[in-house]
Amino acid sequence: GAVVSQHPSWVICKSGTSVKIECRSLDFQATTMFWYRQFPKQSLMLMATSNEGSKATYEQGVEKDKFLINHASLTLSTLTVTSAHPEDSSFYICSARDSTGWGKLFFGSGTQLSVL
Amino acid sequence: AQSVTQPDIHITVSEGASLELRCNYSYGATPYLFWYVQSPGQGLQLLLKYFSGDTLVQGIKGFEAEFKRSQSSFNLRKPSVHWSDAAEYFCAVVGGGATNKLIFGTGTLLAVQP
Repeated sequence: GAVVSQHPSWVICKSGTSVKIECRSLDFQATTMFWYRQFPKQSLMLMATSNEGSKATYEQGVEKDKFLINHASLTLSTLTVTSAHPEDSSFYICSARDSTGWGKLFFGSGTQLSVL
Repeated sequence: AQSVTQPDIHITVSEGASLELRCNYSYGATPYLFWYVQSPGQGLQLLLKYFSGDTLVQGIKGFEAEFKRSQSSFNLRKPSVHWSDAAEYFCAVVGGGATNKLIFGTGTLLAVQP
């Protein structure tokens, strides 16, 4: 079946550095990708929605200059956490769907980010 | 505002007992409805989904859910719980109209007693 590959699975970085997380659709064209953030023992909060070739749409309260999203191709979206700080430590999950709608929606396995 | 509510934060059941996890939503139109399960530190696994048609939906691992429009609910059920079902369960909804977002409920943590 369709798979979304997310890398890295976990990353530790120093405060002030930037971290890039990749989300790839392996056997379908991901026209829309979503990025979520999950704090421990909490739910998934939608950060942004990106359509291939367009600028991402960010949810209220999400800093677009801090969380840079690129969706330049139909198989790859990236989330870059710029100038990371300890409060950015979280579990980040991407999901992707094709143009047929919500019937084909797939999630990555998530990335645990720890900022020291 | 659109919302998804899972009233039970934590549920404990005995192995072999039946299970029902509640989910309520507030949307004007008939939404698309999903149930996901998440093990600690893991991604999400889709249990089942409802878009239209028969309001009783069968999923994987013996789970089922029933869409009740009059109650704005989509409760998840399983007749006999196994120890391996212990995990976090999330109800998620795509609202109607021009909404293009999958919104998650707060989750229910299921513990299974031997």
